[in-house]
Amino acid sequence: GDSVTQMEGPVTLSEEAFLTINCTYTATGYPSLFWYVQYPGEGLQLLLKATKADDKGSNKGFEATYRKETTSFHLEKGSVQVSDSAVYFCALSDLLFSGGYNKLIFGAGTRLAVHP
Amino acid sequence: DAGVTQSPTHLIKTRGQQVTLRCSPKSGHDTVSWYQQALGQGPQFIFQYYEEEERQRGNFPDRFSGHQFPNYSSELNVNALLLGDSALYLCASSSGQITGELFFGEGSRLTVL
Repeated sequence: GDSVTQMEGPVTLSEEAFLTINCTYTATGYPSLFWYVQYPGEGLQLLLKATKADDKGSNKGFEATYRKETTSFHLEKGSVQVSDSAVYFCALSDLLFSGGYNKLIFGAGTRLAVHP
Repeated sequence: DAGVTQSPTHLIKTRGQQVTLRCSPKSGHDTVSWYQQALGQGPQFIFQYYEEEERQRGNFPDRFSGHQFPNYSSELNVNALLLGDSALYLCASSSGQITGELFFGEGSRLTVL
């Protein structure tokens, strides 16, 4: 079945460091790919998405490119802040025949801790 | 505009008991999905409701059941609770015509003793 694999955490960085969180996927179809973020005490929030190969999703300085050839969707940010400390989840979803999206399949999550 | 609201936020049950969790979707949304998030893991899809029908179901036993009401709110019921059912239960809403973005509630944390 479809699956998502993320790099294990925690990832600990100093403020203004460069961030990469690796994500690879296995899917039989042509999924859309997502990054969700979970801040302490809050629900999951969509950070960015890409719906087809070579698309780049971006938001709040984060970006990820849908790489079909390497089945990857790595999350990057050029300069992290303390406020970026959170758990980041990579996910995929296939389109339902009736429109809207099928279920989301999540990776295990990667905890990011940014220190001043 | 209220987002997705879930209740209760925390609850403790004992093995064999039954639990009902509730979810009100974001205004304008007609589709509700439920996920189970075990500690240190990513959310796992339980099922999705649209137009008061279960549209899609994940790999969960029949002890897990749900309902969607005409106002689009939803309930998740779990019978014969096991220790392994201890988790954060997340509700997510979306519009059937808009793809890609689920709005999640903060979850209901269930502890089974």
